[in-house]
Amino acid sequence: AQSVAQPEDQVNVAEGNPLTVKCTYSVSGNPYLFWYVQYPNRGLQFLLKYITGDNLVKGSYGFEAEFNKSQTSFHLKKPSALVSDSALYFCAVRDMSNPGSSNTGKLIFGQGTTLQVKP
Amino acid sequence: DVKVTQSSRYLVKRTGEKVFLECVQDMDHENMFWYRQDPGLGLRLIYFSYDVKMKEKGDIPEGYSVSREKKERFSLILESASTNQTSMYLCASSLGWRLGQGGKYSNQPQHFGDGTRLSIL
Repeated sequence: AQSVAQPEDQVNVAEGNPLTVKCTYSVSGNPYLFWYVQYPNRGLQFLLKYITGDNLVKGSYGFEAEFNKSQTSFHLKKPSALVSDSALYFCAVRDMSNPGSSNTGKLIFGQGTTLQVKP
Repeated sequence: DVKVTQSSRYLVKRTGEKVFLECVQDMDHENMFWYRQDPGLGLRLIYFSYDVKMKEKGDIPEGYSVSREKKERFSLILESASTNQTSMYLCASSLGWRLGQGGKYSNQPQHFGDGTRLSIL
């Protein structure tokens, strides 16, 4: 079964320090992975997506994600956290259980990780 | 930029009422989705549509229906609202999953509206 897991409910980081938000996945075939951010009372904003062959993907607002095939992980990273990065972060994987069907438009989301950056 | 617009940010309705949530996208996307978001439960897919008049059930379709008469508009209907349908509702859209150049599938993200916080009293 296709799935994605975010093992941490909350991550706390001091401003200026590097941050990592973890994501692991389980899919059949090639993974199609995404990261989204959600600020309070807003919808999800797309941050970045995995591009086949690139182990380090750069996205919006200085975020990047490191893909590791052997560990089936796609961790979100930022070299220097800002207080304004405090938000809820979601990892997602495309549903490839039946490629070519209408289901492949669907994304499977993790439970979300709350990032708290303290001044 | 893709714009997905949900008709209301906040809505208060009474139990038993028929409730309509509207979503419009301006990028000619084939796919549209309705999710609900609840604390501790993450995002759960209610229904999605991959073309006009086409719909598929998601993970929690009970108590809901949808309508897609035009490509840009996707409506979520609560047939008879109940208090357990109090939630944040999110609409999203995306390009269709298509085979592109070099035999690789296009991997387009979903784009979300700002959500409707619905309270059923």
